[in-house]
Amino acid sequence: GIQVEQSPPDLILQEGANSTLRCNFSDSVNNLQWFHQNPWGQLINLFYIPSGTKQNGRLSATTVATERYSLLYISSSQTTDSGVYFCAVELGAGGTSYGKLTFGQGTILTVHP
Amino acid sequence: NAGVTQTPKFQVLKTGQSMTLQCAQDMNHEYMSWYRQDPGMGLRLIHYSVGAGITDQGEVPNGYNVSRSTTEDFPLRLLSAAPSQTSVYFCASSFLPWGASSYNEQFFGPGTRLTVL
Repeated sequence: GIQVEQSPPDLILQEGANSTLRCNFSDSVNNLQWFHQNPWGQLINLFYIPSGTKQNGRLSATTVATERYSLLYISSSQTTDSGVYFCAVELGAGGTSYGKLTFGQGTILTVHP
Repeated sequence: NAGVTQTPKFQVLKTGQSMTLQCAQDMNHEYMSWYRQDPGMGLRLIHYSVGAGITDQGEVPNGYNVSRSTTEDFPLRLLSAAPSQTSVYFCASSFLPWGASSYNEQFFGPGTRLTVL
């Protein structure tokens, strides 16, 4: 099956710092999403980004589908950004692959005040 | 819109007991699915459905049953709970691609934390 690798596994920042999280995947994809799992366990949708670049406030994401990677940028980090960031992809074969998200292991982000 | 809702939030079972985790969505999504998340891991797909009356297995289906009698609801049944099923369970839903649109962003419920003793 498709492999999804996220890096770094852990990241510790001071408030105000910037960071880049990476997601590599092993095959072509129909869907790629970034999620933030907050300390209460909720999965928050950050970006639906099978290709291209999107921005939402201090967060932005870029997916280069032809090179099989996606980047999540967090600028001016805040303590509320702490949690686990997941990348999830849907294999691009269509048909029986539809909707089956494969998750990476996540990046644990800790932002200190 | 309430989005995707799940009940209960927490549940403790004894080995061998059965129970049903409830999931509902009010976004008229055709596609619904169940995932489990174990400590330090991402989510793994248990079962999914592309519409009422249609279900199929995901990556880790053993020990779980599902049915889809309506578009809105997709319950997950544990027939005989085992300690290995201790996990956090998430339900998700999305549109199916239609015509020229490939949009299928998935939305997740708040999760059910299940402990099997």
